[in-house]
Amino acid sequence: NAGVTQTPKFRVLKTGQSMTLLCAQDMNHEYMYWYRQDPGMGLRLIHYSVGEGTTAKGEVPDGYNVSRLKKQNFLLGLESAAPSQTSVYFCASKRTSANEQFFGPGTRLTVL
Amino acid sequence: AQSVTQLGSHVSVSEGALVLLRCNYSSSVPPYLFWYVQYPNQGLQLLLKYTTGATLVKGINGFEAEFKKSETSFHLTKPSAHMSDAAEYFCAVSDTGTASKLTFGTGTRLQVTL
Repeated sequence: NAGVTQTPKFRVLKTGQSMTLLCAQDMNHEYMYWYRQDPGMGLRLIHYSVGEGTTAKGEVPDGYNVSRLKKQNFLLGLESAAPSQTSVYFCASKRTSANEQFFGPGTRLTVL
Repeated sequence: AQSVTQLGSHVSVSEGALVLLRCNYSSSVPPYLFWYVQYPNQGLQLLLKYTTGATLVKGINGFEAEFKKSETSFHLTKPSAHMSDAAEYFCAVSDTGTASKLTFGTGTRLQVTL
């Protein structure tokens, strides 16, 4: 039982490049979330999903897109990366009936 | 709208001393409250949570927190700090809607000295 995993762990992009971050969970959780963590700002919700095929915007969705084609996977895409998207990205998941979110180890993204 | 305020971005205590990390929240509905810990280069791990019932909540690693509605607070305490407690601690509030979205505080980095 790996829990929540994130791929890749580190990535460096140039401004304007695109990339996709993958989050996978093996706990059969319905809900999945993408957060970004910046110094002095805590974690902020980017997008979330309450089930396969559904997504919704969080607090800071601009510049990101997401997809949840399979229940166990939640993808975060950056179509045209900007330096302001340099951050650590965390994925989380939870069961419908539970309150606790389980977090992945994070992806450190640098945009030059 | 919900919000969380963590007083003190850095807290330093001696090993064996009391740990007190402060958290105040704002919520228009009865809140669910959480404390998460983040060790260097790792993800977040749940320390404890308050949903309903007993207002004094015990968590892992000897931590506990008390929900005080009148003070809108959920401070985290540990009677005796250990070197292994050095980490960043986040307080969070959840809405009670379907998605249970979390709103985090800005975090408090705990340093434990000999």
